[in-house]
Amino acid sequence: NAGVTQTPKFQVLKTGQSMTLQCAQDMNHEYMSWYRQDPGMGLRLIHYSVGAGITDQGEVPNGYNVSRSTTEDFPLRLLSAAPSQTSVYFCASSSRRLVVSDTQYFGPGTRLTVL
Amino acid sequence: KQEVTQIPAALSVPEGENLVLNCSFTDSAIYNLQWFRQDPGKGLTSLLLIQSSQREQTSGRLNASLDKSSGRSTLYIAASQPGDSATYLCAVDKLIFGTGTRLQVFP
Repeated sequence: NAGVTQTPKFQVLKTGQSMTLQCAQDMNHEYMSWYRQDPGMGLRLIHYSVGAGITDQGEVPNGYNVSRSTTEDFPLRLLSAAPSQTSVYFCASSSRRLVVSDTQYFGPGTRLTVL
Repeated sequence: KQEVTQIPAALSVPEGENLVLNCSFTDSAIYNLQWFRQDPGKGLTSLLLIQSSQREQTSGRLNASLDKSSGRSTLYIAASQPGDSATYLCAVDKLIFGTGTRLQVFP
């Protein structure tokens, strides 16, 4: 198994550009989520999904969209990039619903810079 | 609103020491607490997951305890090694993360 994969690893955008961060997992996990990590602020939940076709907002959803058309993929879209979205983005997955006691697996991250 | 705090923010110790990392949470009604390790520029690796009904979990030189009533979890690392150098994060219910403790173990 490849686990959780993310592409790209690095990205530089100009303010106002849009892009999609890709996340895929091959463990047949139902639960997937996106976090951003900023210095001194830990990881904050952006959006999550408990299964194909179901998504919900986390703590910091503004400026981001998600969809879950398949179990494997959970892309994160930045609609109009802003410098405040400069961060490291992590995708994670686990086998069942949000608060069931299953280990959460993380991807390697995407480092995004918005100029 | 659940808040998770980790103290200390940074720790530097000589090789061989036993050490304790702390994680505090404000709302004791949790389902689980998970400890992660993060190496520089990398993703998070799960170390230990404690369910709310458990008091501790052990894996090798690592032992994590959970005291829901006091809102605390500790990660105990025995006989620390330079390879243990990393940032350690705790997370409540897979949702709320602490800001981490950056550990450096020097030879």
